[in-house]
Amino acid sequence: KAGVTQTPRYLIKTRGQQVTLSCSPISGHRSVSWYQQTPGQGLQFLFEYFSETQRNKGNFPGRFSGRQFSNSRSEMNVSTLELGDSALYLCASSPRQGTYEQYFGPGTRLTVT
Amino acid sequence: AQSVTQLGSHVSVSEGALVLLRCNYSSSVPPYLFWYVQYPNQGLQLLLKYTSAATLVKGINGFEAEFKKSETSFHLTKPSAHMSDAAEYFCAVSGTKAGTALIFGKGTTLSVSS
Repeated sequence: KAGVTQTPRYLIKTRGQQVTLSCSPISGHRSVSWYQQTPGQGLQFLFEYFSETQRNKGNFPGRFSGRQFSNSRSEMNVSTLELGDSALYLCASSPRQGTYEQYFGPGTRLTVT
Repeated sequence: AQSVTQLGSHVSVSEGALVLLRCNYSSSVPPYLFWYVQYPNQGLQLLLKYTSAATLVKGINGFEAEFKKSETSFHLTKPSAHMSDAAEYFCAVSGTKAGTALIFGKGTTLSVSS
């Protein structure tokens, strides 16, 4: 089975812009979660989607949003980018709702200048 | 609330030596516990998981971990380190109810010298 794929792998944006990241889960997996990884804060949970519905949300501002499509692919959007949003954004898929066992993609490295 | 503490942000061992990475958790409910490894510029790879079955869990690449409820620990070990084990390792905890998020420790960087 193909693993979790994320596009793009690298992205450079300017402060104030918005960005959309994409994630394709492992075939058959219906749950997709997003995490932000930074040197200072480590790995932090953003949100989880299952069957096109957001099931859980971490402690991030409303500028961070996401959605899931009927084929389980997911997108994450960050509006009004700030310098502090520079991070590795990781997507993980799971065969069922919740975080029982998650498989991670390679991540999208976002740099905000 | 759940939390994970990884003792030691950096561990150095010689090739062939025992690897021991420490993880303690805090959880008000029986947890699921995980160890992940991250190589440079890559995502996280699941090494092993504890989901309330056997307390000694064997994972990939020769790693294993033992769940000790009395010590609230889930330390990761490998009898003999290999150069390819050099990476960052993360311990994570989640509740067993659907919709609970993975909570990660800060990570431990393992260096292996020849």
